[in-house]
Amino acid sequence: NAGVMQNPRHLVRRRGQEARLRCSPMKGHSHVYWYRQLPEEGLKFMVYLQKENIIDESGMPKERFSAEFPKEGPSILRIQQVVRGDSAAYFCASSPLSEGNTEAFFGQGTRLTVV
Amino acid sequence: SQKIEQNSEALNIQEGKTATLTCNYTNYSPAYLQWYRQDPGRGPVFLLLIRENEKEKRKERLKVTFDTTLKQSLFHITASQPADSATYLCALPADYGNNRLAFGKGNQVVVIP
Repeated sequence: NAGVMQNPRHLVRRRGQEARLRCSPMKGHSHVYWYRQLPEEGLKFMVYLQKENIIDESGMPKERFSAEFPKEGPSILRIQQVVRGDSAAYFCASSPLSEGNTEAFFGQGTRLTVV
Repeated sequence: SQKIEQNSEALNIQEGKTATLTCNYTNYSPAYLQWYRQDPGRGPVFLLLIRENEKEKRKERLKVTFDTTLKQSLFHITASQPADSATYLCALPADYGNNRLAFGKGNQVVVIP
């Protein structure tokens, strides 16, 4: 059973371009969480999704950021018109249950660099 | 929402000794608390979960305690090894009844051979 797969591992974008980050949860997991981690900072929650539904997007910036988890295929975190401040590591986690009291399985992250 | 505090200073410890890390939270008492390990350039890896009605949890050389009165969890690595060198993250529910986790900034451990 493959773990949580994120791609690409590294992504370089020029200011103003779009960044698209993909996350395939573990098999059998239908709950996906996206986190952002800046250097020397903790993981900051961005969005929680189930298949075809956004459950909690309280951590998402109001503009330029969007996320989806379609019925088929990976979850996508999209950042439009990237700025230097978007440079960070973005981690996806999945879990099998809706209750949070089970472990979250994290991917290896996508490191976004905006130049 | 929860504020989670972990020591920002790295803990340097001699191999074979016990490393002890602290996680303090400031708001409501969570139903559970989790600890993760994160290596440079990698995603966090789950280690242990302790529930509010559990005082202590063990897994191999790891031990976690949970004191809801003090609003504190302690994480111990006994007989530490250089391979234990990593950053350890404390995590708990961001809000009451909320499924998403809030994480501390992590505490780096360096085990010196």
